[in-house]
Amino acid sequence: GAVVSQHPSWVICKSGTSVKIECRSLDFQATTMFWYRQFPKQSLMLMATSNEGSKATYEQGVEKDKFLINHASLTLSTLTVTSAHPEDSSFYICSALTVTNEKLFFGSGTQLSVL
Amino acid sequence: GQQVMQIPQYQHVQEGEDFTTYCNSSTTLSNIQWYKQRPGGHPVFLIQLVKSGEVKKQKRLTFQFGEAKKNSSLHITATQTTDVGTYFCAGRHSGGYQKVTFGTGTKLQVIP
Repeated sequence: GAVVSQHPSWVICKSGTSVKIECRSLDFQATTMFWYRQFPKQSLMLMATSNEGSKATYEQGVEKDKFLINHASLTLSTLTVTSAHPEDSSFYICSALTVTNEKLFFGSGTQLSVL
Repeated sequence: GQQVMQIPQYQHVQEGEDFTTYCNSSTTLSNIQWYKQRPGGHPVFLIQLVKSGEVKKQKRLTFQFGEAKKNSSLHITATQTTDVGTYFCAGRHSGGYQKVTFGTGTKLQVIP
């Protein structure tokens, strides 16, 4: 199946710093990628939809200035958590939609811990 | 907003017993997908259902899409310890921009 690479796998940062997470589709082009957040024992909550070459579409309640998304190419989307705070600590996971729009393939996720 | 609920939230079964999780959407779906997430892992695509009333099987797993395209079920026959994990349904809503909403998930624990 298609491979989506996400890194880093985990990151620990100080409060107030910014963290960038990368999501790459390795063997297919993804015009659309999604960013999710998952709290322990909970479901995946869609944060935003990343479209190549255009602005991301954010879900209600997600601050676009805090969670910056860039989808500069057909194989790369980045999520930057700006001025991170302890409440931003969570598991962030990306997924990429295949060209046929049939399947979502997920990255391995990033565990963010903000001290 | 669109909501996708799953029941039960947790299920413990004895190995060999059957297991079913149910998924219900507040709105009509264009398709529904099922994913399995092992502890510490990421969701892995299992299957997609598109047609009203569609039934698909994968070995011991049976997936069904409701006639109204608002609900779905996953049934596992004779569970094994390898079936342990959280099963999520994910509905793609009609119209819009391919938004996919994940269900609340059902965590399956299989007791050997």
